Amino acid sequence: ILNVEQSPQSLHVQEGDSTNFTCSFPSSNFYALHWYRWETAKSPEALFVMTLNGDEKKKGRISATLNTKEGYSYLYIKGSQPEDSATYLCAFDFGNEKLTFGTGTRLTIIP
Amino acid sequence: DTGVSQNPRHKITKRGQNVTFRCDPISEHNRLYWYRQTLGQGPEFLTYFQNEAQLEKSRLLSDRFSAERPKGSFSTLEIQRTEQGDSAMYLCASSLVVRGKGDTQYFGPGTRLTVL
Repeated sequence: ILNVEQSPQSLHVQEGDSTNFTCSFPSSNFYALHWYRWETAKSPEALFVMTLNGDEKKKGRISATLNTKEGYSYLYIKGSQPEDSATYLCAFDFGNEKLTFGTGTRLTIIP
Repeated sequence: DTGVSQNPRHKITKRGQNVTFRCDPISEHNRLYWYRQTLGQGPEFLTYFQNEAQLEKSRLLSDRFSAERPKGSFSTLEIQRTEQGDSAMYLCASSLVVRGKGDTQYFGPGTRLTVL
């Protein structure tokens, strides 16, 4: 059984503050790790695909890092805004095209 | 809008009825996936197609579930004799795979099924 775990499960952050959360996954047979943002009533939006140990990717105020040897990825949001409120999902990819998702981190930004 | 679309967005049905959902992928994408998300869980893989061929089915997909992608474009997911445990969000995604190496899966907004 493949375990992809995300923490925390939920998070409330004051507008303007920065925050981060974690995705942990098996360190063997790594192919790629995907991050998605899922706002209520919308489609999950692809944020990053990370493939190499030490990868750092950035999209606006959101960035992610990857450590495949120890099996974790961090997602950072700088200067949180109300539009950042969403569930953030990570998904492990063995290279066989089936994504195994974590349960997500539900982020709420408090104005 | 050229993203992945799903219909209907919501479906309420009585136990024992059959339901069918439709997914229209991004037009040039050759792979199409179905996932299911139940309360408090992340999406779980159900099945996927390469063009019109169904390449893999999860053990989650019981005999009551059938998926098709007849012309390698849109796909349907049918659930026969629905049970309350089938209540979930059904997500469709598509991707473009070239020479066996895939990339980002793009998701639709999902169909939320409620079985009474």
